[in-house]
Amino acid sequence: GAVVSQHPSWVICKSGTSVKIECRSLDFQATTMFWYRQFPKQSLMLMATSNEGSKATYEQGVEKDKFLINHASLTLSTLTVTSAHPEDSSFYICSAVFQGTSYEQYFGPGTRLTVT
Amino acid sequence: GQSLEQPSEVTAVEGAIVQINCTYQTSGFYGLSWYQQHDGGAPTFLSYNALDGLEETGRFSSFLSRSDSYGYLLLQELQMKDSASYFCASNSGGYQKVTFGTGTKLQVIP
Repeated sequence: GAVVSQHPSWVICKSGTSVKIECRSLDFQATTMFWYRQFPKQSLMLMATSNEGSKATYEQGVEKDKFLINHASLTLSTLTVTSAHPEDSSFYICSAVFQGTSYEQYFGPGTRLTVT
Repeated sequence: GQSLEQPSEVTAVEGAIVQINCTYQTSGFYGLSWYQQHDGGAPTFLSYNALDGLEETGRFSSFLSRSDSYGYLLLQELQMKDSASYFCASNSGGYQKVTFGTGTKLQVIP
């Protein structure tokens, strides 16, 4: 159990366009989902915390108007990178937690975004 | 702010034991988690310490000392498949928010 999927697994887009990444918890209801960004050979950087039915909480330095997060249901959160630029190219990973088991996060397989 | 420091790289021999250290400076600390990540893959949860002491899960053990703001992950009977990056992570900010450490790339050699 505790499977999290992401779609797409990789995407190439042109500079200035927008890209939507989906994160789904397949076999459990996730009260909270997290979005991370990871550059090559670096650690995971938390971008935002997404709670179902409420606005996402963004980390300092993350532009909320550029990285739009929607958590419309207990099994789906989306991250939209708007007006993407080459510096947005990265590995984006989501994770989800059960209510009450918050220290153990279940990660999606990640989405590799390349902006040309 | 939150910071968790780890050695960047560790090399160990197959069958041996290796310890990966993590020192942290965080506010609102609840506990320390450990994750494994293979190249190109997603992190997977290994263990969690909320209290001081040693937690054992098969070949993996994790230790926490709150007074020293220090923890470590111990991997025994190393296998080639253990070659991966390992991250400590602190749980804080309402218990669910996780901040990841700098990461340690473990290479297991024959």
